[in-house]
Amino acid sequence: EDQVTQSPEALRLQEGESSSLNCSYTVSGLRGLFWYRQDPGKGPEFLFTLYSAGEEKEKERLKATLTKKESFLHITAPKPEDSATYLCAGEGGSYIPTFGRGTSLIVHP
Amino acid sequence: KAGVTQTPRYLIKTRGQQVTLSCSPISGHRSVSWYQQTPGQGLQFLFEYFSETQRNKGNFPGRFSGRQFSNSRSEMNVSTLELGDSALYLCASSLSTSGGIQETQYFGPGTRLLVL
Repeated sequence: EDQVTQSPEALRLQEGESSSLNCSYTVSGLRGLFWYRQDPGKGPEFLFTLYSAGEEKEKERLKATLTKKESFLHITAPKPEDSATYLCAGEGGSYIPTFGRGTSLIVHP
Repeated sequence: KAGVTQTPRYLIKTRGQQVTLSCSPISGHRSVSWYQQTPGQGLQFLFEYFSETQRNKGNFPGRFSGRQFSNSRSEMNVSTLELGDSALYLCASSLSTSGGIQETQYFGPGTRLLVL
């Protein structure tokens, strides 16, 4: 059974304090590892897809990396508007995405 | 470009009733996926439709069903509602032609269902 575990569950940062979110996965035949951002009362918003170990993608203050066992979402010099829940999902040979529970990030000004 | 729309946004039902939720994908998108999101289980995949055919299905009981119309709009139905069906139901669309969610998925705002 595919599993995706995110840590920490919650993270509080001061504006400008960089940090990383972790996504550990056990997904058979990984086809893609996805990161989403979800704001309260809204559906998830796509951020990145990573396909193979060693791959990295960046968007503004966010950088996602992938190894054979985990993915990291690095947030550099975060701003209050980066506050959201960040979701990670893996999809393997079953073609069924498995989501982690998410990391709730709060960035204080 | 209009986003994914879902109706209704909020719904209250009682146990034993059935409910139908609707999703209109982004124009040109042929893949529609449905998800259930709860505080206890997180976001879970229900099923995916492509060109009116169910392509993938998650681990949910047969009370959960769906369909897709020729214009790519989709509906999901839950029969014999249980208290545990209370959740946010999300729909997502993509251009995907190959199955799965490798293509970027665009989510709607969701329908919040409360079962009393």
